[in-house]
Amino acid sequence: IAGITQAPTSQILAAGRRMTLRCTQDMRHNAMYWYRQDLGLGLRLIHYSNTAGTTGKGEVPDGYSVSRANTDDFPLTLASAVPSQTSVYFCASSDAGGSYNEQFFGPGTRLTVL
Amino acid sequence: GQNIDQPTEMTATEGAIVQINCTYQTSGFNGLFWYQQHAGEAPTFLSYNVLDGLEEKGRFSSFLSRSKGYSYLLLKELQMKDSASYLCAVKDSNYQLIWGAGTKLIIKP
Repeated sequence: IAGITQAPTSQILAAGRRMTLRCTQDMRHNAMYWYRQDLGLGLRLIHYSNTAGTTGKGEVPDGYSVSRANTDDFPLTLASAVPSQTSVYFCASSDAGGSYNEQFFGPGTRLTVL
Repeated sequence: GQNIDQPTEMTATEGAIVQINCTYQTSGFNGLFWYQQHAGEAPTFLSYNVLDGLEEKGRFSSFLSRSKGYSYLLLKELQMKDSASYLCAVKDSNYQLIWGAGTKLIIKP
C-alpha cells in the first residue's frame, strides 16, 4: 500500500441499505477525514479524526458515522442510505496539528443510492 | 457564515498565462491551500500560503493578501495537462479546511 486506499471504487446501493466505505492509509498520519464532493459544491467535511480513538463531526454529519480504532483505518458507515447521499466520497489524511499540514487524498468512492 | 468564492470556469490558450482568483470570509485564518483536481481523480496539493506575498513553485505561483481576504493562483506556460479544476481552501480557526467549489480550467490549443 502506498498512500491512501479506498474501497469500493464505486457502488450502486438501494435506498435503506447499510453501507461501509473503507479507507486505509500507510503514512502514519494522525488525522483523517471524510469528505463528499457534489457537482457545483466544494468538498464538504462529513467527519474527522485527529488521532486514533477520537472522532468529530464536520459540516454534514447527519446519516453518517465513523470509527477510528487504529491509526491506519477510518471507515465511514451509512446506516440507512438515502438518494441524497449519492456523491463522490473522498478520504484524506494529514499530520495533525498546526497550520501547514497538507491533506493527502484517496482515489474516491463513487456512490449511487437509488 | 464561512464562504470561499472562485470563478466556476475559465478558458485559456496553451502557452499563455492564467490567473485564478479566490476570495474568502472565514472564522479565523490558518493558511490557504490550492489543490489541483483532474476529472475523475483525487485532489492533489499545489501550494500553501500563510503570510502575505507570493510563493513561487516552478510554473505555478500563489499570492495571498490576508487584509483583503484574497488569493490567486498563477499558472504560466500553460500545457494541455493543466486542464483541471483548481480548488481553493482556507484553514479556519478550528484548523479545518473550508473549500471553494473549484474553478474548471479549460486549455485550448
